[in-house]
Amino acid sequence: VQLVESGGGLVQPGGSLRLSCAASGFTFSYYDMSWVRQAPGKGLEWVSYISDGGGTIQYAGSVKGRFSISRDNAKKSLYLEMNSLRAEDTAVYYCARTIKGWELHFDYWGQGTLVTVSS
Amino acid sequence: DIQMTQSPSSLSASVGDRVTIGCRASQSINSYVNWYQQIPGKAPKLLIYAASSLQSGVPSRFSGSGSGTDFTLTIRSLQPEDFGTYYCQQSYITPYTFGQGTKLEIK
Repeated sequence: VQLVESGGGLVQPGGSLRLSCAASGFTFSYYDMSWVRQAPGKGLEWVSYISDGGGTIQYAGSVKGRFSISRDNAKKSLYLEMNSLRAEDTAVYYCARTIKGWELHFDYWGQGTLVTVSS
Repeated sequence: DIQMTQSPSSLSASVGDRVTIGCRASQSINSYVNWYQQIPGKAPKLLIYAASSLQSGVPSRFSGSGSGTDFTLTIRSLQPEDFGTYYCQQSYITPYTFGQGTKLEIK
């Protein structure tokens, strides 16, 4: 299992950015996926979830209305469109394979991509 | 949102020690708790899911217990590679929240 995030960088407050996560080593279309972020020196914060077919999507309150999760199963890729970015969105963003049965957990994580929101 | 509170925030232990990390949920969450280890500069790694199920490939010295509001991660015989920060996480309801982390140092 390999997850490789890309698309991070420096963006001004109010700006936009699109993160990507390329998956390999497993059948991507069979698995739910999530984004989790970690501000510098801080703990982990779940951001968003998408089901295997894309039919179920959930967001943390802190990003709802500003971020949009999507996936392209043919390209084995997960995306996070981030708009109206704020300084508090500065973080390393991880994509995580998500196992959802009667409970949910994140069993594989990418190495992360750093998003810095600053003027 | 469900708050997950870990204790202690940090600890130092010796190789071979038995280490226990606690996690308390702000409301009952059945067994919907997972545990992760994060080494500095690396992504988190899943250790325990559903409170007590050992993730494939994780050494058996790691174990989890608890239900309701109180949960425990135990490392039976601490090894040098066990340093890092440990996080609990609830999956009972969104938003899926994490504890603040417990930083484990090896003496």
